[in-house]
Amino acid sequence: DQQVKQNSPSLSVQEGRISILNCDYTNSMFDYFLWYKKYPAEGPTFLISISSIKDKNEDGRFTVFLNKSAKHLSLHIVPSQPGDSAVYFCAASGTGANSKLTFGKGITLSVRP
Amino acid sequence: DTAVSQTPKYLVTQMGNDKSIKCEQNLGHDTMYWYKQDSKKFLKIMFSYNNKELIINETVPNRFSPKSPDKAHLNLHINSLELGDSAVYFCASGGTAPYGYTFGSGTRLTVV
Repeated sequence: DQQVKQNSPSLSVQEGRISILNCDYTNSMFDYFLWYKKYPAEGPTFLISISSIKDKNEDGRFTVFLNKSAKHLSLHIVPSQPGDSAVYFCAASGTGANSKLTFGKGITLSVRP
Repeated sequence: DTAVSQTPKYLVTQMGNDKSIKCEQNLGHDTMYWYKQDSKKFLKIMFSYNNKELIINETVPNRFSPKSPDKAHLNLHINSLELGDSAVYFCASGGTAPYGYTFGSGTRLTVV
């Protein structure tokens, strides 16, 4: 039962263009949504998050958009750089001491020079 | 000054053996986690401990036993290893929303 879905396994974009990574979720109890970036042979690293009470959060080149009615979020990277090539995981959690992060299966982004 | 360190990074062992993976965090977090990334690349939570107390125990065979001697350490012991246990295991510490968790670099376990 996948509560967080990343349906596209990969994305390839040209350097300087926009990368849009999509994520859907099914659990309406999720309060926070996060994006993680992972390089090979390393652990995932936190990139950006958004609370369910917001619809946009921006941090430099990275912007996350949340559409609660559609249970959909997306990560925009602009401009994309070759160093952004990695696996991106979408994750979601509720609140409270027993909350846990539920991850999607990731999308591999390749930024072509 | 690694935030979350886990050892070993690679572990190759035979079926039936018992092995342990160690994890330590120096972030002062109260909660630590074990995640498993299987061959399909899903990251699935196995356990979480808050201040040495088991909080989350997902559907994991009881051959897997976490041990938390103090809140900075969460070790994973696996008995009677099976081929299907081959995966990458990530330790993490957290992490009140919205800041997420800090992950270790992973332990690639291969059971032959």
